[in-house]
Order: sequence, then structure tokens, then C-alpha cells
Amino acid sequence: DAKTTQPPSMDCAEGRAANLPCNHSTISGNEYVYWYRQIHSQGPQYIIHGLKNNETNEMASLIITEDRKSSTLILPHATLRDTAVYYCIVRIDEKLTFGTGTRLTIIP
Amino acid sequence: EPEVTQTPSHQVTQMGQEVILRCVPISNHLYFYWYRQILGQKVEFLVSFYNNEISEKSEIFDDQFSVERPDGSNFTLKIRSTKLEDSAMYFCASMQGINEKLFFGSGTQLSVL
Repeated sequence: DAKTTQPPSMDCAEGRAANLPCNHSTISGNEYVYWYRQIHSQGPQYIIHGLKNNETNEMASLIITEDRKSSTLILPHATLRDTAVYYCIVRIDEKLTFGTGTRLTIIP
Repeated sequence: EPEVTQTPSHQVTQMGQEVILRCVPISNHLYFYWYRQILGQKVEFLVSFYNNEISEKSEIFDDQFSVERPDGSNFTLKIRSTKLEDSAMYFCASMQGINEKLFFGSGTQLSVL
């Protein structure tokens, strides 16, 4: 099973930053944190991943706490197209194991 | 940007029939996967494939399922005798190297009647 805990749902106003939390208290030292999202019933889409340092790309930022027991995905300026289910995944081996994720709704 | 391509996008079949779902992974990728998602449920891992053999499979992937990479570009999932409970969205994914990110296709919606 997935080693992460996420809130089942969140709302965010359009144009504001969306901050999605994830707890992974049993993470091991060499396990990466990955974030994917699924818009409606499309295939999961890669967002970002990290090990211990904060990461940023064109889609989002990933903040990992110093003890690595939790992380936050930040979408800096949410748009309606960011409405999706967001999955935080601790990668144990070559596959990804999906949990139930956070359903993020962007409110106009 | 290169992408994983799946065909068909929708497949309707009668219970007991065989179906083959097709995928064209990204060309320089070496690891291949099938996942499925029953409506309203989680994305579930079925099988991973590397170096022309199955590297891992889940409990869902029983004897009714098989995978094949018949040539250098296609990756297929066959269900020998479909059941009603096989109705789901099936996603193919590929990865270039170990610990790289997985890229997913847009899925095949399988409906078993």
C-alpha cells in the first residue's frame, strides 16, 4: 500500500496558490517523493519529484521538510485547468503505487 | 514532447471474449507497465516488463492476463476470457531508466458486457 496520507479534498480560489500537503512519516532515506495528477479520467501526469531538497519546475514547487516526514506541493497560480486528483507517492521500487490522492477543485 | 500512445481509446466486448489492448511506449524507454482504474477507484498496478520479461506483477494479473512486446515498438496487454469485472480504464506507461519518471498514456476504456 501507499506510504502516504493526503486530505481527500481541497478547494482553492482561481489565481491563488494551491498548497497540497502530504505526510510520509515512514519514508526511508533513499526513497523519492513523487507527485502526479489525474485530470478527469485521463492518464496520470507527472508533476515533480524530490529526495530532500526543495524542487521547482514550470508546473509546481515541492517543499520537503528537513526530517522528510512530510511535503507540500505548491501550484503558484492555480487555474481552472488545475482541477484534478493529486497523488503524492513515495517510490519504493521501479513502479508507482497510487493512493486515493487529494481532489483539488479550483473555484472561479 | 514524445508520448505514450494507446489504442483503441474505447473497446466494447462480450464476456468471455479475448481482447488485446495496444500501446506504443516512448521510443527510447526500456521499462513498460500496465495499470488499470475501475470507475471511482484507485489507479492499480498490474504488471511491469523489462528486458523482454515480466519483472513484477500484482495479484490482479492472473492467468487470464498476458503481456507481449512483439516488435521493437508495441507493448500489448491480452485478456484471454474477459469478465464483467475487467471493465475499467487501462493505462500503459513507460520509463527510460530505473528511477526515472513514468509517462502514462491516455488509456483504453474497456467495457465488458
